[in-house]
Amino acid sequence: SQKIEQNSEALNIQEGKTATLTCNYTNYSPAYLQWYRQDPGRGPVFLLLIRENEKEKRKERLKVTFDTTLKQSLFHITASQPADSATYLCALGTGNQFYFGTGTSLTVIP
Amino acid sequence: GAVVSQHPSRVICKSGTSVKIECRSLDFQATTMFWYRQFPKQSLMLMATSNEGSKATYEQGVEKDKFLINHASLTLSTLTVTSAHPEDSSFYICSALDRPSGANVLTFGAGSRLTVL
Repeated sequence: SQKIEQNSEALNIQEGKTATLTCNYTNYSPAYLQWYRQDPGRGPVFLLLIRENEKEKRKERLKVTFDTTLKQSLFHITASQPADSATYLCALGTGNQFYFGTGTSLTVIP
Repeated sequence: GAVVSQHPSRVICKSGTSVKIECRSLDFQATTMFWYRQFPKQSLMLMATSNEGSKATYEQGVEKDKFLINHASLTLSTLTVTSAHPEDSSFYICSALDRPSGANVLTFGAGSRLTVL
């Protein structure tokens, strides 16, 4: 069956450290993978997109890797700040279809 | 950047009444919009895909007669929850498909919290 799993429901890290979130999938062949941030009571906000032929993408303190052999994406936030606390969702994309993971709730402790 | 406006943000209604939620793309045309439902601490559950000028495509298990979707223009899609019941209480979110750099990206509305008494 198709599955998208994100590591631990909740992740707590100390301010200044690097947060690493994992997205694993089975029985999908996505053309691209996206990461979104969702704050409580709000809609998700797009952060980064990485295509199947790309290994790594960066944007300011964010870095995403995509390994289609392992069927895994890693999402890193370096020099984390309390303002980074939110739920992060990965989404697999093929054409106009998107499939979301369950999300990881990140808390950055001052 | 692309902006999607969703209204109302919160609505409380009595059981048996109907509620309409609007989703507008403010600065781009969205031929495709999506409607999701989200329960506390859970991920987004896709309810239906709305295509401008044609009937919505509903996901398995979603009652099309209960959740009416209309996408009459390139900037507006509406979700009407008909004959609402307490179990319909949830957080409903819309998104629109945008292609800022040639790749499909979803721009989400802020969501609508529905409470059915």
